[in-house]
Amino acid sequence: AQTVTQSQPEMSVQEAETVTLSCTYDTSESDYYLFWYKQPPSRQMILVIRQEAYKQQNATENRFSVNFQKAAKSFSLKISDSQLGDAAMYFCAYRSAGFLRGSTLGRLYFGRGTQLTVWP
Amino acid sequence: DTGVSQNPRHKITKRGQNVTFRCDPISEHNRLYWYRQTLGQGPEFLTYFQNEAQLEKSRLLSDRFSAERPKGSFSTLEIQRTEQGDSAMYLCASSHRTSSAGELFFGEGSRLTVL
Repeated sequence: AQTVTQSQPEMSVQEAETVTLSCTYDTSESDYYLFWYKQPPSRQMILVIRQEAYKQQNATENRFSVNFQKAAKSFSLKISDSQLGDAAMYFCAYRSAGFLRGSTLGRLYFGRGTQLTVWP
Repeated sequence: DTGVSQNPRHKITKRGQNVTFRCDPISEHNRLYWYRQTLGQGPEFLTYFQNEAQLEKSRLLSDRFSAERPKGSFSTLEIQRTEQGDSAMYLCASSHRTSSAGELFFGEGSRLTVL
């Protein structure tokens, strides 16, 4: 089974600064998707950014960008110009691309999360 | 569309009782998922529906757990003879078959506490 590892249980950053959250994964597949989800306290999990494994270009969504290193099986999230509203639990997740070809593999594999604190 | 809705948000029950959670996905999302999240852990996959068909079940889903999606719209997750180890947040998510990368839209979850 695929495993996702987030080695940083907690991170903190000063408002307006940049922070990078780490994620590594283990898979024997060549085609897959990677995601970062944000879970604010007592609120639903929302998608921050996704990366298709077949794309070499790193995904970017406004202040959020990823560093995808396929050979190293690494997928880090960089948050620039951090804001107080970025404080949340961040989860890295993996999905097989086989799902999108009609496979019944419907699951996401999540890491244990990184709790991000943003200081004013 | 108000997103994925889950009820109840909180449930406290005594060991041995049965509980049922309901999930209303985003309209026209034909795929529905249940995940379980315990303290300090990421969500763990429980089961997956495409329309009314339950296509995948995790080994985490013991015989005491049953999930249904009878008309391909809302889904229920029932836990029979609850145990203290069942205490967790139960998350429901949905996605549309045409959504790019199949990203999931999550509800706020149903928190179960078994005394």
